[in-house]
Amino acid sequence: GAVVSQHPSRVICKSGTSVKIECRSLDFQATTMFWYRQFPKQSLMLMATSNEGSKATYEQGVEKDKFLINHASLTLSTLTVTSAHPEDSSFYICSASLTSAGGEQFFGPGTRLTVL
Amino acid sequence: KQEVTQIPAALSVPEGENLVLNCSFTDSAIYNLQWFRQDPGKGLTSLLLIQSSQREQTSGRLNASLDKSSGRSTLYIAASQPGDSATYLCAVPKTSYDKVIFGPGTSLSVIP
Repeated sequence: GAVVSQHPSRVICKSGTSVKIECRSLDFQATTMFWYRQFPKQSLMLMATSNEGSKATYEQGVEKDKFLINHASLTLSTLTVTSAHPEDSSFYICSASLTSAGGEQFFGPGTRLTVL
Repeated sequence: KQEVTQIPAALSVPEGENLVLNCSFTDSAIYNLQWFRQDPGKGLTSLLLIQSSQREQTSGRLNASLDKSSGRSTLYIAASQPGDSATYLCAVPKTSYDKVIFGPGTSLSVIP
């Protein structure tokens, strides 16, 4: 099956720093990737849709200047949390859809961000 | 706007029981429906994918059904085991490349 990887799996940083999370489709090309956020004991909430070669589409309430998304190639999307604060501490997961697999969504393993 | 709900929110059963998890969605114009499993602090594991034209899918002890017209899906787990303890999420996209809307999940605990 299709594999999506994320790096890093866990990051702890100080308040005010920026953190970059990478999402890669390892064995397929993904023109569209999605970024989700999950707070403790809650379900996954879509943050933004990452489109290769164009600007990301953000969900309502998600600050585009704080969560920078770059989809520079068909296998890589990055999410940068700028000037992170403790309230940004969360579990971030990316996914990619494989049209040839009937639109099945393949998810990365997630990145646990803790901002001190 | 698509909304996905899951019932029950939590379930605790003794080992060996058969159980049913429910998922409902408000917009029946879906491309497919996917069931996932999430262990605490971990990512998602895809369990079953049902295309909109299909009625059900089976994998081992798992069987998922889809009734698109009524906006419902069920995940049936046969002969539950302690290793099945996890949160189960259903999710629907509108198209093959669309964002996925998740339900809130059902937290399952199987008691040995």
